[in-house]
Amino acid sequence: AIQMTQSPSSLSASVGDRVTITCRASQGIRDDLGWYQQRPGKAPKLLIYAASNLQNGVPSRFSGSGSGADFTLTISSLQPEDFATYYCLQDYNYPWTFGQGTKVEIK
Amino acid sequence: QLQLQESGPGLVDPSETLSLSCTVSGGSISSSSYYWGWLRQPPGKGLEWIGSFHYSGSTYYNPSLKSRVTISVNTSKNQVSLKLSSVTAADTAVYYCASPLTGTRGLFDSWGHGTLVSVSS
Repeated sequence: AIQMTQSPSSLSASVGDRVTITCRASQGIRDDLGWYQQRPGKAPKLLIYAASNLQNGVPSRFSGSGSGADFTLTISSLQPEDFATYYCLQDYNYPWTFGQGTKVEIK
Repeated sequence: QLQLQESGPGLVDPSETLSLSCTVSGGSISSSSYYWGWLRQPPGKGLEWIGSFHYSGSTYYNPSLKSRVTISVNTSKNQVSLKLSSVTAADTAVYYCASPLTGTRGLFDSWGHGTLVSVSS
């Protein structure tokens, strides 16, 4: 199975900060990667698909980049509603695998 | 817009079989556009893909669970079902059904609310 390694596992940031989360695959996965946001008690929400495409309705402060094995999710200016846990997911090869998550907390 | 709703027992005895259903509205289970997936999340932990079903009848399971999992559909009820046998406390989790973004196989963009299943006697 492809291992997805996310970093950091948690971070503290302030409203307005620029935040970057990385995800590294154990092998190349082209751009078959998505990013999710999960708030407590809620289902995950797809933010980015195909590594860099913004899902409909997602604010433009979210962006994704990367291809092959290294990927990045960036929040350009953190908003109060962005404090949540973020996951990457690869759908290049079965079994689909998630990163372990990055919890974004208020500083 | 697809809507998915999971249902089933919230408590299962150890060694028994966990059975959940997912009722789909806003789209047909039989549509060639759709895969149907099950995922889970143990309390306080990360997400795990359990398996997926495609309208063609193909099923794909996580090897870590493959010997215990069955995913099937009931077209007359527009439902997707999950069965997980020989459960233990490690199977306690919120279980989600989901469908991927059109054009992808596993980037799930339509999710149910999730249902918590506890394994305990």
